[in-house]
Amino acid sequence: GIQVEQSPPDLILQEGANSTLRCNFSDSVNNLQWFHQNPWGQLINLFYIPSGTKQNGRLSATTVATERYSLLYISSSQTTDSGVYFCAVDLPGAGSYQLTFGKGTKLSVIP
Amino acid sequence: NAGVTQTPKFQVLKTGQSMTLQCAQDMNHEYMSWYRQDPGMGLRLIHYSVGAGITDQGEVPNGYNVSRSTTEDFPLRLLSAAPSQTSVYFCASSFGTAYGYTFGSGTRLTVV
Repeated sequence: GIQVEQSPPDLILQEGANSTLRCNFSDSVNNLQWFHQNPWGQLINLFYIPSGTKQNGRLSATTVATERYSLLYISSSQTTDSGVYFCAVDLPGAGSYQLTFGKGTKLSVIP
Repeated sequence: NAGVTQTPKFQVLKTGQSMTLQCAQDMNHEYMSWYRQDPGMGLRLIHYSVGAGITDQGEVPNGYNVSRSTTEDFPLRLLSAAPSQTSVYFCASSFGTAYGYTFGSGTRLTVV
């Protein structure tokens, strides 16, 4: 099956710093999404981004599908950004509805 | 608009017991799925459904059963609980693969 690798596995930031999280995937994908799991376990969909660049406030994401990677940028980090960030992909083809998740990047933002 | 509702939030089972985890959504999403999350792991797909009456297996389906009699509900049944099924279970729904997913708040299950 498709492999999804996220880096770094852990990241500690001072409040106000910027960061870049990376997601590499081993095959062409139809769908790539970024999620944030907060410290209480809730999963929030951040971006649906199979290609191109999107921005939402302090967060932005870029996917280069031809090179099989995606980047999530967090600027001016806040303590509320803490949690685990997951990248998830699914395979192209009719009826492919199976998201494969990476193991995540655990982000800790300290005041 | 409640989104995706999972019940119960916590459950302790004895080995061999059966139970049903409930999932309901009020967004008229055709696609629903169940994932399990284990420590240090990403989420792994158990079963999914692309509409009422249609279900299929994901990556880790053994020991679980699902049905989809309505668009709104997608229950997950544990047939005979085992300690290896101790995990946090998430239900998700979506309009389809080209759209974002909405997750429920999870069910933390412990099998002793």
